[in-house]
Amino acid sequence: NAGVTQTPKFRVLKTGQSMTLLCAQDMNHEYMYWYRQDPGMGLRLIHYSVGEGTTAKGEVPDGYNVSRLKKQNFLLGLESAAPSQTSVYFCASSYKGSYEQYFGPGTRLTVT
Amino acid sequence: AQSVTQLGSHVSVSEGALVLLRCNYSSSVPPYLFWYVQYPNQGLQLLLKYTSAATLVKGINGFEAEFKKSETSFHLTKPSAHMSDAAEYFCAVSDPDKLIFGTGTRLQVFP
Repeated sequence: NAGVTQTPKFRVLKTGQSMTLLCAQDMNHEYMYWYRQDPGMGLRLIHYSVGEGTTAKGEVPDGYNVSRLKKQNFLLGLESAAPSQTSVYFCASSYKGSYEQYFGPGTRLTVT
Repeated sequence: AQSVTQLGSHVSVSEGALVLLRCNYSSSVPPYLFWYVQYPNQGLQLLLKYTSAATLVKGINGFEAEFKKSETSFHLTKPSAHMSDAAEYFCAVSDPDKLIFGTGTRLQVFP
């Protein structure tokens, strides 16, 4: 099993450009999450999904959109990137009611 | 709302010394509690979890944590630090359908 995978691993964007980060899991988990990690701030939840076709806002949702069209995939979109979105982005997944989350390797995004 | 406080953003110990990383939580309901470890340029890995069974929880790599309801704490310990323990450690508390993470503690181990 590959577990949780993230695409791409690195990306550099110019201000105003758009992009989509892809998260895929092969564990048949119901719940999926997107976090950003910034120095000194730990992990902050951006959006999450408790099932196919459902999404919810986390702590820092502004400037991001998500979609969960298939159970195994969770997409994070930046419509108009800003330097403040320079960060490392992590995806995670879990079984319903478990709370134990499995993390992907991360995507390092730089916005210039 | 649930929250987590990790005391000390950096902790330094000598190899062979006791490791103690502190975590206090706030929760309006009986919580599930977790410790995760992150090695450089990697994702987070689960170290151990408390899910309302035994209050002393043993995890991987010789780590353990004790749930103390009266102190709202879930401190992480290891009797003897190893150089390979150098990493960032995150405490997390359950919130409906998600986890709330602390800001992390970076552990340095000196020879």
